[in-house]
Amino acid sequence: AQKITQTQPGMFVQEKEAVTLDCTYDTSDQSYGLFWYKQPSSGEMIFLIYQGSYDEQNATEGRYSLNFQKARKSANLVISASQLGDSAMYFCAMRGPRDDKIIFGKGTRLHILP
Amino acid sequence: NAGVTQTPKFQVLKTGQSMTLQCAQDMNHNSMYWYRQDPGMGLRLIYYSASEGTTDKGEVPNGYNVSRLNKREFSLRLESAAPSQTSVYFCASSEAGPPLGEQYFGPGTRLTVT
Repeated sequence: AQKITQTQPGMFVQEKEAVTLDCTYDTSDQSYGLFWYKQPSSGEMIFLIYQGSYDEQNATEGRYSLNFQKARKSANLVISASQLGDSAMYFCAMRGPRDDKIIFGKGTRLHILP
Repeated sequence: NAGVTQTPKFQVLKTGQSMTLQCAQDMNHNSMYWYRQDPGMGLRLIYYSASEGTTDKGEVPNGYNVSRLNKREFSLRLESAAPSQTSVYFCASSEAGPPLGEQYFGPGTRLTVT
């Protein structure tokens, strides 16, 4: 069965430091996509970054990068030079070859301290 | 460009009442989704529609029905609301088929069933 695990319920990080949010996954599919979304306190879901299972290079989008280790089934999100506006809930998600296999982790609440 | 819109934003129902949550997207996406988000949980897929005229069950479909009215609109109906359906409901759409492509989310509907 598909599974996403985010082991850090909450994190406190000093502004300007780099942050790594952990995500491990389990799937028997060969083809899948891994996603990170941000949910600020206002409630909307914002797409951050995507990694395909066949992509050999780690995805990057501005200050966000995805540390993809396929053999370990991990897809950690790295935020460089954190900002106060990064305080939010972050969700890791996986999309399989069929959409009935979309699953989300339970999230990590990130607090950036001034 | 409105993206994904949902109505209503808030709703309070009594147990046994029915209601329909409306969702529309103006991005010409084929795939549309309904999720629920409960405290301490990630998002769980209720139903999805891979294309106009098709709908399929997700992880938690019991107590819900959906209609893909046309390419733009995807509605979620609660026939007989129960307190266990108190949640925040998100509609989403995606341009690419699985496993590719991020999802674009609406602002959510906060539903309380008393």
